[in-house]
Amino acid sequence: SAVISQKPSRDICQRGTSLTIQCQVDSQVTMMFWYRQQPGQSLTLIATANQGSEATYESGFVIDKFPISRPNLTFSTLTVSNMSPEDSSIYLCSVKMSSGNTIYFGEGSWLTVV
Amino acid sequence: AQTVTQSQPEMSVQEAETVTLSCTYDTSESDYYLFWYKQPPSRQMILVIRQEAYKQQNATENRFSVNFQKAAKSFSLKISDSQLGDAAMYFCAYSFTGNQFYFGTGTSLTVIP
Repeated sequence: SAVISQKPSRDICQRGTSLTIQCQVDSQVTMMFWYRQQPGQSLTLIATANQGSEATYESGFVIDKFPISRPNLTFSTLTVSNMSPEDSSIYLCSVKMSSGNTIYFGEGSWLTVV
Repeated sequence: AQTVTQSQPEMSVQEAETVTLSCTYDTSESDYYLFWYKQPPSRQMILVIRQEAYKQQNATENRFSVNFQKAAKSFSLKISDSQLGDAAMYFCAYSFTGNQFYFGTGTSLTVIP
């Protein structure tokens, strides 16, 4: 596996603002993903972060709301734009190594929008 | 469509006892992967155990083992000699491609001292 660091780990945000979450991996990984976990819910895939190109978004998620960058094989960011209380969630970065079919997760970023 | 169902929202177990968490899934694929992840209050999702569908032998990792019933599409997790540190939310997950993962709704496990 890899060491996956996310920051911030927790934040309280004002309605209408945007926040960028960073995900740093200590080794090169094949795939990077962003998940959302709303309070008391399971995980929902937001998008796959593609290195050097636009992310691939799942149904219900759009680039204007959740812009994603992945400038290299070890780093990605997720921005939650124009936040509303409904965006209060844990956002999780996950990665897949070049070998195997398992994904590993960062510590998560717990956002509360007030 | 692939779905993962965990029918037990909450479970409890006495310390040192054994508990089994249930998971069923729906798929038309014959080759896929199944996982159990643990999410303690720290929020980080931690891989507990994985199973390849083509393997008939059930996976084991120390005190954690699975009962994989492919025909029944069932994938339960057994925790033996439960410890206080096992208290967490447990998620069952399925993946066919290795990129798209489908998660169940989770089972909250309480360990009673």
